[in-house]
Amino acid sequence: GQQVMQIPQYQHVQEGEDFTTYCNSSTTLSNIQWYKQRPGGHPVFLIQLVKSGEVKKQKRLTFQFGEAKKNSSLHITATQTTDVGTYFCPGAGSYQLTFGKGTKLSVIP
Amino acid sequence: NAGVTQTPKFRILKIGQSMTLQCTQDMNHNYMYWYRQDPGMGLKLIYYSVGAGITDKGEVPNGYNVSRSTTEDFPLRLELAAPSQTSVYFCASLGGIGVGYTFGSGTRLTVV
Repeated sequence: GQQVMQIPQYQHVQEGEDFTTYCNSSTTLSNIQWYKQRPGGHPVFLIQLVKSGEVKKQKRLTFQFGEAKKNSSLHITATQTTDVGTYFCPGAGSYQLTFGKGTKLSVIP
Repeated sequence: NAGVTQTPKFRILKIGQSMTLQCTQDMNHNYMYWYRQDPGMGLKLIYYSVGAGITDKGEVPNGYNVSRSTTEDFPLRLELAAPSQTSVYFCASLGGIGVGYTFGSGTRLTVV
């Protein structure tokens, strides 16, 4: 699969603060998917972005796909303790996904 | 729909023992995958299958074997378990382009 770098690796925020994680690829992506893994849990599919410049929202979560389709971001507004977990944006190959370490989000109540 | 079901949830093996991790899905998905996740790390692809009778190696296949005799089942076999195989194993399936993977709840394996 394509290599996608994700930053930051860790983020600690106070509950109510915003949070953003970024994914960058050196090559053009056909699409990008986002997953969330709660501590002790399994990855859960959140969303897929396909179009250049696409923006999708899921309640407090906003997902963006860059105009050049080489980067993507996930922004969480007013974090809650339920947002705790690791967020992944795996690189896509031919029906395969390559998962990096993701961004581990901790929320301090 | 149960989705992707993995058994067992936990297992402790002694070095040199063998075991099979079971994975079954009821969504009629053609694509199935086995990943392992070490603490604090991402998921690494062990093996995958694009349909019954077809399997292929992923990034870390050594020490593992798979088979895919039916669409529903994709068991992962560990032969001669080693401490380096201590990990959490996730099975996943994919229904097609445009939808994400569905993961099982994982098998936590410890080799001592």
